[in-house]
Amino acid sequence: GNSVTQMEGPVTLSEEAFLTINCTYTATGYPSLFWYVQYPGEGLQLLLKATKADDKGSNKGFEATYRKETTSFHLEKGSVQVSDSAVYFCALKLSGGSNYKLTFGKGTLLTVNP
Amino acid sequence: EPEVTQTPSHQVTQMGQEVILRCVPISNHLYFYWYRQILGQKVEFLVSFYNNEISEKSEIFDDQFSVERPDGSNFTLKIRSTKLEDSAMYFCASRGLTGGEQYFGPGTRLTVT
Repeated sequence: GNSVTQMEGPVTLSEEAFLTINCTYTATGYPSLFWYVQYPGEGLQLLLKATKADDKGSNKGFEATYRKETTSFHLEKGSVQVSDSAVYFCALKLSGGSNYKLTFGKGTLLTVNP
Repeated sequence: EPEVTQTPSHQVTQMGQEVILRCVPISNHLYFYWYRQILGQKVEFLVSFYNNEISEKSEIFDDQFSVERPDGSNFTLKIRSTKLEDSAMYFCASRGLTGGEQYFGPGTRLTVT
């Protein structure tokens, strides 16, 4: 079946450190890939996405590249800020159809200290 | 900016009781979803709803669960007889006709004792 595996947390970094959160997937067909972020007390927000192999999604300094050969979509940021503290979820959506249900990973809690 | 809202933020109930979780999707959206996350586990798809009917449901969504859009604004998830293992965070989401982005609410934490 379809699944997403992401790095276990929690991850604790100092401000301006480099961030990587690993995400790999298993899917039939050609999925679209997403990173969602959940700030304390808020809903899941789409952070970035990529819809085909070699696409790079980027937003707010975060980037992730869709790697079909390694079935990965790792999230990176060069210099994290305290305001980036949140839970990050990797997710996939299969292409085709109209339902658009998402398959998520467990989430990774990131804490950035000043 | 329009947003999805959910009430209550936290619900505590006894095993065997019925609960209704409420969601107000974004007003011009047409597709609605429920997901849940048991503590420490993955966010799991429960059900999708379009045109006043269920379009897809997971194996988790058994006869104890039902969804309804009772009026033009609310979207509810009912659990008829709660079990301890129903304790989880429940997320509602909605999306428009065009584009695939789902907008999520902040979640309702359900605790079954």
